[in-house]
Amino acid sequence: AQTVTQSQPEMSVQEAETVTLSCTYDTSESDYYLFWYKQPPSRQMILVIRQEAYKQQNATENRFSVNFQKAAKSFSLKISDSQLGDAAMYFCAYFSGNTGKLIFGQGTTLQVKP
Amino acid sequence: DAGITQSPRHKVTETGTPVTLRCHQTENHRYMYWYRQDPGHGLRLIHYSYGVKDTDKGEVSDGYSVSRSKTEDFLLTLESATSSQTSVYFCAIRAGTGRFGETQYFGPGTRLLVL
Repeated sequence: AQTVTQSQPEMSVQEAETVTLSCTYDTSESDYYLFWYKQPPSRQMILVIRQEAYKQQNATENRFSVNFQKAAKSFSLKISDSQLGDAAMYFCAYFSGNTGKLIFGQGTTLQVKP
Repeated sequence: DAGITQSPRHKVTETGTPVTLRCHQTENHRYMYWYRQDPGHGLRLIHYSYGVKDTDKGEVSDGYSVSRSKTEDFLLTLESATSSQTSVYFCAIRAGTGRFGETQYFGPGTRLLVL
């Protein structure tokens, strides 16, 4: 079975600085997708970024980018120029192309200090 | 927000009573999902649907049932609520092919308290 691990329960960053959130996963599949979701205090789950496993190029969305290391099964999220609105819980998730199921990590709470 | 609504948004109920949560989508997506979120566990899949009247179990399905009689509605029922089912429940749809294919989009969540 696939597993997703986020080893940092909490992180903090100074406003305007850069922070990296870690995620590792375990799978024997070749067809999968990886996601980062943001959950602010409103509890809404917001898609941040998506990566297809078959693409070597790292995904980017404005200030958000990933470092996808397929062989190491690592999928970290980098937030550049951190803003107060980035404060939230961030979830890494693995989508199995075989089962169609999405598996979440435990989450990392990010604090942004002014 | 992918046109997903959940009702009710908040509910307090007593142990042993039946509870039904509703998820409604407006964009004709085939796949729909129910998750629960608990501290330290992230989101865990309860049940999912891959079409009208087609459903299957997820990781934490015990004590829950689902039904999907129309494409737009996916109901989650707790037949006899227990305190361990106190949680935040999220519904999600799965987008089709294209740039955001295989991506799940979530409703706003329902906070359920079982006393």
